[in-house]
Amino acid sequence: AQSVTQPDIHITVSEGASLELRCNYSYGATPYLFWYVQSPGQGLQLLLKYFSGDTLVQGIKGFEAEFKRSQSSFNLRKPSVHWSDAAEYFCAVATQGAQKLVFGQGTRLTINP
Amino acid sequence: EPEVTQTPSHQVTQMGQEVILRCVPISNHLYFYWYRQILGQKVEFLVSFYNNEISEKSEIFDDQFSVERPDGSNFTLKIRSTKLEDSAMYFCASSERELGGNTIYFGEGSWLTVV
Repeated sequence: AQSVTQPDIHITVSEGASLELRCNYSYGATPYLFWYVQSPGQGLQLLLKYFSGDTLVQGIKGFEAEFKRSQSSFNLRKPSVHWSDAAEYFCAVATQGAQKLVFGQGTRLTINP
Repeated sequence: EPEVTQTPSHQVTQMGQEVILRCVPISNHLYFYWYRQILGQKVEFLVSFYNNEISEKSEIFDDQFSVERPDGSNFTLKIRSTKLEDSAMYFCASSERELGGNTIYFGEGSWLTVV
């Protein structure tokens, strides 16, 4: 069965610092990978996705993620975080023909001023 | 940009009552989904719906739950007799085609509190 692991439950970084949120997946075939962000009391907004091709994908709000097949990882990065980036971040995976997304546990990001 | 809309945004109901959560998916989408998120936990898949029938459902989606597309625009989730543990945020979502190379778009969610 597919699974997604986000090892960090809570991360705190200072405003302006770089950020990397980790995501590892377990699935035998080619996965389709997503990062979603959820601000407090809000819905899920798609940050970026990987389907095929270039393993470094760019998303909204200055985020990027890199697919590394050898490590089964899809880590999310941002070179310089802003206070407005404080939110919960979810990694998710789907597979060809799948009817559902499988989500990780989420990583809560806190920004220090 | 087209979006998935959900109503109500928040509902409080007494245990044992029936609840209907409503969703208007993106207009040209053919696949519809419900997910839920219990407070502090991960987002969990409930059910997917295509061509007027359930295409997949999770273990959570038991006989207490049902989905319906009563007309060309709405997609509803009904919980027949709510339990305390049904308290959660329920997300509706839709996609143009099946997942795996296609993006699923989520609504803002409906908070359900069962008391």
